[in-house]
Amino acid sequence: KQEVTQIPAALSVPEGENLVLNCSFTDSAIYNLQWFRQDPGKGLTSLLLIQSSQREQTSGRLNASLDKSSGRSTLYIAASQPGDSATYLCAGLLSYNTDKLIFGTGTRLQVFP
Amino acid sequence: GAVVSQHPSRVICKSGTSVKIECRSLDFQATTMFWYRQFPKKSLMLMATSNEGSKATYEQGVEKDKFLINHASLTLSTLTVTSAHPEDSSFYICSARDRVKGTQYFGPGTRLLVL
Repeated sequence: KQEVTQIPAALSVPEGENLVLNCSFTDSAIYNLQWFRQDPGKGLTSLLLIQSSQREQTSGRLNASLDKSSGRSTLYIAASQPGDSATYLCAGLLSYNTDKLIFGTGTRLQVFP
Repeated sequence: GAVVSQHPSRVICKSGTSVKIECRSLDFQATTMFWYRQFPKKSLMLMATSNEGSKATYEQGVEKDKFLINHASLTLSTLTVTSAHPEDSSFYICSARDRVKGTQYFGPGTRLLVL
């Protein structure tokens, strides 16, 4: 059974720091991977989607990479801001013919002024 | 961007009653919708896949008679929690797959509290 672990589980940093959030799948067979943000009591906001043919995606201060051979993904947040405080979830599709996303355990991030 | 709505956003009910949650894709058609459950400070757990015009597919351990799913149109899926109990209290999130683009979009969630 595919399991997805995110490290660290929680992170508290002063603003301005560059951050690395990690996501790993027990089974490296991943078709594509997506990073989401979830604010407390809210739904999910999609941040970045790494398609099957890609290795990384960038959007503003966010950069996500995917190493399929190891089943690991990294979300890099540059120059963190208090507004980045949220829970970050990674989720993967296991094959091209499924829509079922497998979610990670999440990283709760707090960026303080 | 594509929008998925959920109604209600929050509901409190008495134990033993049934609660219906709606998930709507507002500006696209969705042949497939997904229902997730999320416990406090936990990740999302897929409950079932809702297919337009056919029966839903439930994940292992999810009672189909407890969580009734209906996907009667290309823009609406409903989840009914029947005979709700306090342990059913949770945050329920739906997602909808755009039939043209193939992208999934998530709703804002429904918080259910069963007293």
